[in-house]
Amino acid sequence: GENVEQHPSTLSVQEGDSAVIKCTYSDSASNYFPWYKQELGKGPQLIIDIRSNVGEKKDQRIAVTLNKTAKHFSLHITETQPEDSAVYFCAANTGGFKTIFGAGTRLFVKA
Amino acid sequence: DAGITQSPRHKVTETGTPVTLRCHQTENHRYMYWYRQDPGHGLRLIHYSYGVKDTDKGEVSDGYSVSRSKTEDFLLTLESATSSQTSVYFCAISGGQEGYGYTFGSGTRLTVV
Repeated sequence: GENVEQHPSTLSVQEGDSAVIKCTYSDSASNYFPWYKQELGKGPQLIIDIRSNVGEKKDQRIAVTLNKTAKHFSLHITETQPEDSAVYFCAANTGGFKTIFGAGTRLFVKA
Repeated sequence: DAGITQSPRHKVTETGTPVTLRCHQTENHRYMYWYRQDPGHGLRLIHYSYGVKDTDKGEVSDGYSVSRSKTEDFLLTLESATSSQTSVYFCAISGGQEGYGYTFGSGTRLTVV
């Protein structure tokens, strides 16, 4: 069935460094790729998304890239800050109501 | 989370009892979803709704039912709770069917003992 693999499961970086989280999807019909940030005790929050007709999108310190041929998409966070520490989820929408989530990446930013 | 609230936030219940979780939205969105979150599994869709009285099953719907009698309310019922249903449950809303991100509620932590 459809699947989204997310790596790494845990990522630790020094404040000011960059962090990269990678996802791979299996359904070539996927056309919408959102990223969510979940802080402790809260629900996931949409932070950025990309559609299949776009290769890259930026919003301040975060960016997402998409390689449709390889079925890869990645989240890039530059100049990381302690408040970036959270769990990040990638997801792929395969059309209609079917959105498949990755298992999540726990990001630690050390001050 | 603005516009979407879940109740209760925490619940402990006994095996075999029915449990109902409530999701309330003030955004007038047509689409509502129930997910469960378990370690190592990310978020998995239980049921969704695309309008009043219009609902359908997700990938992990066994043992759950839903109802939506008003646009703003989406109820999730565990008909006879089991320990495998111990989880954190999230409700989400979206403004469209495809290509729209979700707004999630704060979640309900359910423990079945």
